[in-house]
Amino acid sequence: AQSVTQPDIHITVSEGASLELRCNYSYGATPYLFWYVQSPGQGLQLLLKYFSGDTLVQGIKGFEAEFKRSQSSFNLRKPSVHWSDAAEYFCAVGAQGGSEKLVFGKGTKLTVNP
Amino acid sequence: DTAVSQTPKYLVTQMGNDKSIKCEQNLGHDTMYWYKQDSKKFLKIMFSYNNKELIINETVPNRFSPKSPDKAHLNLHINSLELGDSAVYFCASSQGADLAEAFFGQGTRLTVV
Repeated sequence: AQSVTQPDIHITVSEGASLELRCNYSYGATPYLFWYVQSPGQGLQLLLKYFSGDTLVQGIKGFEAEFKRSQSSFNLRKPSVHWSDAAEYFCAVGAQGGSEKLVFGKGTKLTVNP
Repeated sequence: DTAVSQTPKYLVTQMGNDKSIKCEQNLGHDTMYWYKQDSKKFLKIMFSYNNKELIINETVPNRFSPKSPDKAHLNLHINSLELGDSAVYFCASSQGADLAEAFFGQGTRLTVV
């Protein structure tokens, strides 16, 4: 069965600093990988996704993520964080070829200091 | 236009009551889901429907009964509410059972007192 681990429960960065949120997955075949963001009181918004092809994917709001099969990782990055990026970030995996569900990590809360 | 809409956004109710949460999507998707987010923010799938047929039921108590009158709607009815049902419930939709990309609604915060 698939699983997702987000090792960092809470990360604090200063505005303008770079950001990397870690995500490790467990799945036997090629996974679909996703990053979602949940702003306070809001629903989930898809930031980016990886299905195949180029392992560096670009998303909305200046985010990118890199799929590394050898490390079973899909870390999210942003070169310069804005105060509006403060939110909860969820990594998710969906199985290729017939799975209808996403399995989520437990989320990483991002705090941005001015 | 809202792609996936849930009503109500907030719901406070007493133990033992029966309540429903409605979900509608205008994306033309054929698959809809209910996810539960607990107090620790952990998101877990509850149900999935494809073209009005149940395809996933993840060990959810039978007090929870999803109803899909058509493929644009997936409502969640909960009987005999318990304190532990307090959570945020998210509806989502996607196109195709093989594609795990989902669009989510804003969530319904259910508080059972």
